[in-house]
Amino acid sequence: SQQGEEDPQALSIQEGENATMNCSYKTSINNLQWYRQNSGRGLVHLILIRSNEREKHSGRLRVTLDTSKKSSSLLITASRAADTASYFCAPPRAGGTSYGKLTFGQGTILTVHP
Amino acid sequence: EAQVTQNPRYLITVTGKKLTVTCSQNMNHEYMSWYRQDPGLGLRQIYYSMNVEVTDKGDVPEGYKVSRKEKRNFPLILESPSPNQTSLYFCASSWKVDTSQYFGPGTRLTVL
Repeated sequence: SQQGEEDPQALSIQEGENATMNCSYKTSINNLQWYRQNSGRGLVHLILIRSNEREKHSGRLRVTLDTSKKSSSLLITASRAADTASYFCAPPRAGGTSYGKLTFGQGTILTVHP
Repeated sequence: EAQVTQNPRYLITVTGKKLTVTCSQNMNHEYMSWYRQDPGLGLRQIYYSMNVEVTDKGDVPEGYKVSRKEKRNFPLILESPSPNQTSLYFCASSWKVDTSQYFGPGTRLTVL
């Protein structure tokens, strides 16, 4: 099973609407990272939230982290067609025998219609 | 410019012919990693390296080898490629395992 799993698998919205994606993970973490991937290209880092933070903003992005529920959400406000991409979370393990492994889920495919 | 480079970007080969995909970073990062991406399976880690001469298996290491003789380079070796290794491969690097990852542009490999 994956350390990080995104939900929903696919999301289709109109330009101007907000998009919310969720991530669940299994083990203790020091931080959680979100990435974006445009079709067939390398992932690009969006935002990192530390385990002692509840919320973080970056432009139109808002990330929340609930360590008690082992979950995070990524909100993109006022979406644009250019936001169409796949979004992945990456929760690096804080320790243990699998420290060093970095697992991504299948991602959420976001489609923003003009 | 800070970057991760991979070569080749595209490769078509035949079963059993050994190949190497190179990965190089110019950011003095300690952590490097290889992933494969397949439709419906997401991004899966093949091998990772915490530092020079320190490598370990990810979730799908079978059929692959790596080495980390220098900090900047982390080649992925397929000793005897098979068609099930047809995939899109990404190399990534970061200061530490839990810092932001920088990804390469990807290598699309087809094994016939």
